[in-house]
Amino acid sequence: AQSVTQLDSQVPVFEEAPVELRCNYSSSVSVYLFWYVQYPNQGLQLLLKYLSGSTLVKGINGFEAEFNKSQTSFHLRKPSVHISDTAEYFCAVSLMFSGGYNKLIFGAGTRLAVHP
Amino acid sequence: DTAVSQTPKYLVTQMGNDKSIKCEQNLGHDTMYWYKQDSKKFLKIMFSYNNKELIINETVPNRFSPKSPDKAHLNLHINSLELGDSAVYFCASSQKQKDPYEQYFGPGTRLTVT
Repeated sequence: AQSVTQLDSQVPVFEEAPVELRCNYSSSVSVYLFWYVQYPNQGLQLLLKYLSGSTLVKGINGFEAEFNKSQTSFHLRKPSVHISDTAEYFCAVSLMFSGGYNKLIFGAGTRLAVHP
Repeated sequence: DTAVSQTPKYLVTQMGNDKSIKCEQNLGHDTMYWYKQDSKKFLKIMFSYNNKELIINETVPNRFSPKSPDKAHLNLHINSLELGDSAVYFCASSQKQKDPYEQYFGPGTRLTVT
């Protein structure tokens, strides 16, 4: 069964510092991986996705993630964070089933708190 | 030019009542979803419809009944509301043939049952 583990529930960081949000997955088949961001009182917005190809994926707002098959990880990074990056970040894996449909399995989320 | 919209944004009601949440998308997508986010922010899929046909039905109490009048709308009706139903409910949509993996989310409906 596919599952997603986000290793940190909260990550405090100072503005302009680098950050890494960790995500590990378990899957017995090919995976499609996503990072979504949820700003306070808002819906989820896609940051980036890995479907195939280059293992380094660049997303919006300066974020990037690296797919590591041997370590079953998909960690999210940003070299310099801003106050406006304060939000909840969700890692997700796509579970495919017959008919070409999919559903997203989410991790528990990581709260990124950027301090001045 | 809202892509996925939900109404209402907030819903406060008492135990035992019946309520509905509506979702509409103007992206031309053919697949829609309902997710529940609990108080610990954990997100879990509840239902999915493709072209008005139910394709995902997770282990959700049968007090929850989704309805899709057309492929642009997916509503969620909840009977006999319980305290544990308090959560944020998100609607999402995707296009199966074009990009089945990317889902677009609505702003959420915060349901509070007292």
